Amino acid sequence: NAGVTQTPKFQVLKTGQSMTLQCAQDMNHEYMSWYRQDPGMGLRLIHYSVGAGITDQGEVPNGYNVSRSTTEDFPLRLLSAAPSQTSVYFCASRDGQLKLFFGSGTQLSVL
Amino acid sequence: GESVGLHLPTLSVQEGDNSIINCAYSNSASDYFIWYKQESGKGPQFIIDIRSNMDKRQGQRVTVLLNKTVKHLSLQIAATQPGDSAVYFCAENHGTASKLTFGTGTRLQVTL
Repeated sequence: NAGVTQTPKFQVLKTGQSMTLQCAQDMNHEYMSWYRQDPGMGLRLIHYSVGAGITDQGEVPNGYNVSRSTTEDFPLRLLSAAPSQTSVYFCASRDGQLKLFFGSGTQLSVL
Repeated sequence: GESVGLHLPTLSVQEGDNSIINCAYSNSASDYFIWYKQESGKGPQFIIDIRSNMDKRQGQRVTVLLNKTVKHLSLQIAATQPGDSAVYFCAENHGTASKLTFGTGTRLQVTL
């Protein structure tokens, strides 16, 4: 049981490049979410999904797209990276008791 | 307590002493609260949770206290160990929204 797996762990992009952060969970959780973590800001919700085929915006959705074609996977797409998107990104899934399980994070730098 | 600035508040505790980390939450309608621990370079890890119909909940070496009157949450760690050094976040769930809102965190430093 791997839990929540994120790839890659580190990524450097140039402004305007696109990329996809991958997230997979093997706990059969319906709810999955993406957070970004910036110094002094805590964790902020980007997008979330309550089940396959359903996604919704969180607190800071601009510049990010998501899709949820399967229960296991919830990729986060940056269509045109900007320096303001330099951050650490965490994917999380949630059990029926509202407890979030986090991946190990992706450190993204946009130059 | 929590901070909105760029620098995390830091609590320094001697090994073996008890630690108390505080958190003020914002929404009186929040009905569920969680404490997470985040070690350097890792994702947040669940420690303990409490629902709004409780005032206190105990785990292994940890206790969470909830004071709804003043919207205050605290995490107590007994006999603090070097492995407890980390950043601790509180999070609240706003009723039907089912979305956790996180505080900015407190860094716990355990000195030998």
